[in-house]
Amino acid sequence: KQEVTQIPAALSVPEGENLVLNCSFTDSAIYNLQWFRQDPGKGLTSLLLIQSSQREQTSGRLNASLDKSSGRSTLYIAASQPGDSATYLCAVPMEYGNKLVFGAGTILRVKS
Amino acid sequence: EAQVTQNPRYLITVTGKKLTVTCSQNMNHEYMSWYRQDPGLGLRQIYYSMNVEVTDKGDVPEGYKVSRKEKRNFPLILESPSPNQTSLYFCASSRTGYNYGYTFGSGTRLTVV
Repeated sequence: KQEVTQIPAALSVPEGENLVLNCSFTDSAIYNLQWFRQDPGKGLTSLLLIQSSQREQTSGRLNASLDKSSGRSTLYIAASQPGDSATYLCAVPMEYGNKLVFGAGTILRVKS
Repeated sequence: EAQVTQNPRYLITVTGKKLTVTCSQNMNHEYMSWYRQDPGLGLRQIYYSMNVEVTDKGDVPEGYKVSRKEKRNFPLILESPSPNQTSLYFCASSRTGYNYGYTFGSGTRLTVV
């Protein structure tokens, strides 16, 4: 059974800092891994999708890496801004039912 | 704009009064799914559909029904809502296969009193 864990559960940083969010998964036989952002009470916005054959993906100030063999992914946010404050979720798809298995998320607060 | 549209965004209803939450996508995706999100429990899959007229149960299907008569629409039906169905609901869609990511709707906040 696939389990996804995110560390830390919460993070508070001053504006401008570079930061790393961690995601680990127990079954390394994944097809891809997707990072989402969720603002309070709102929908999930897809940030990055990393295929199992890829090592990293970049979008603007965001960089996500994937190490399948160790069951880990990291989301790197450069030069953080107050607008980055949100919950960040990682998820991997299960083969049966295409269900996404989510981590519990990291609540990020960037202080101005 | 490629998107998944859910309606309504907010709904307060009474126990036992049938309701439908609509979901529509404009990306010609084969796969659609419903999730509910609850504090401490995270996101859990309710139902999913691999294509038109093909639906199956997820992890928490009790008390819900779905239908997929058209590719773009995947409504979630609560025939007799109960307070334990108070939750934040999300519809998602994707192309079939494992190379594609998921697009989520903006969510429906449902309160059953």
